Amino acid sequence: QVQLQESGPGLVKPSETLSLTCSVSGGSISSYYWTWIRQPPGKGLEWIGNIYYSGSTDYNPSLKSRVTISVDTSKNQFSLKLSSVTAADTAVYYCARDSRMDVWGKGTTVTVSS
Amino acid sequence: QAVVTQEPSLTVSPGGTVTLTCGSSTGAVTSNHYPYWFQQKPGQAPRTLIFDTSNKHSWTPARFSGSLLGGKAALTLSGAQPEDEAEYYCLLSYSGARRVFGGGTKLTVL
Repeated sequence: QVQLQESGPGLVKPSETLSLTCSVSGGSISSYYWTWIRQPPGKGLEWIGNIYYSGSTDYNPSLKSRVTISVDTSKNQFSLKLSSVTAADTAVYYCARDSRMDVWGKGTTVTVSS
Repeated sequence: QAVVTQEPSLTVSPGGTVTLTCGSSTGAVTSNHYPYWFQQKPGQAPRTLIFDTSNKHSWTPARFSGSLLGGKAALTLSGAQPEDEAEYYCLLSYSGARRVFGGGTKLTVL
């Protein structure tokens, strides 16, 4: 069955860019929407944005100026970039298949600290 | 952007029934918001229980059901089990693919 795996640095310095990749295995990235979600420590879930396999995107307005989500169909993966990070961006970051939200990654913890 | 509201906490007795709700600051929640419901236990990734208002995944226990109730999305748990103690989140869709999570409901089975 389809599985998702987030990868990327677990520690990012303030003002730098957070970069994560979600690798899709067991199925094709094509014909689906894919999403990024995060959860700060002890807090609720926050929708970051999503991307269709063709490349069209939609972002959380509160993050839109700093977020870029892209897709690489040849590698069967999609990525998240969040610029100018602060401590408030410290969170567990999840990727998920947006269509019915039926597949989630296990999540990866990203800490913003110098 | 829209604000999605949920009860901060609810308690249900084992075997009892409880309804969690999900409201929108923009007005009544309809099927066009494609409501989702997720269950999250400590240290785990969320698990999707309900999509598109009332549709269940294959892993969704039959005791969970989704609906629209009084202008809100609702998740009803009938016959609560101890393992249902968890945080529950709803998610609504706005203008295309843009989505907003509710703040979550901490459900205690006691």
